[in-house]
Amino acid sequence: DTAVSQTPKYLVTQMGNDKSIKCEQNLGHDTMYWYKQDSKKFLKIMFSYNNKELIINETVPNRFSPKSPDKAHLNLHINSLELGDSAVYFCASSRGQGLVSPLHFGNGTRLTVT
Amino acid sequence: KNEVEQSPQNLTAQEGEFITINCSYSVGISALHWLQQHPGGGIVSLFMLSSGKKKHGRLIATINIQEKHSSLHITASHPRDSAVYICAGTTGNQFYFGTGTSLTVIP
Repeated sequence: DTAVSQTPKYLVTQMGNDKSIKCEQNLGHDTMYWYKQDSKKFLKIMFSYNNKELIINETVPNRFSPKSPDKAHLNLHINSLELGDSAVYFCASSRGQGLVSPLHFGNGTRLTVT
Repeated sequence: KNEVEQSPQNLTAQEGEFITINCSYSVGISALHWLQQHPGGGIVSLFMLSSGKKKHGRLIATINIQEKHSSLHITASHPRDSAVYICAGTTGNQFYFGTGTSLTVIP
């Protein structure tokens, strides 16, 4: 069973569209994250949710909105997509806030905006 | 300047060599993660440590909180170790990522 699964794996869309990436974890973790990896492979945290509450909200455009319907899910909605949004987006989870247990990553979603 | 710096950026080694990747940070952190990203793109957590040393198979991670420095060592390197290694410091509600070290192990 996949511990952290995100869908889709690849997403190609045009500028201006709205898209969502879904993430689910079956590890019983209470913290979930969204990370963005740019073309230079630099990872940056975007959001973190602990027990459905937002605890980290880095400086990302408000076109990006995370939604956590329950502890096991953290979806990422992106409105009015721009070329610069092209990147690989990783979902991850941990038992605490990164302090008490390792991070478990999904396999990533490669978003290409044309 | 990035809060977390890794060196070297790129590293090529012969199979069997002992490898060291360094991570220095300028912010106060509570724990440090070492991550491995394979060419296929998936990211795996190797270690999370806040003091001392941890060992898993051929991998050893050390951290010196006072000197704000961590190292990842690979003994008897193998081509399957070829990957990007990323260190990340955490304060619990902030993550600071290094820029990664790309390792290639040649048979």
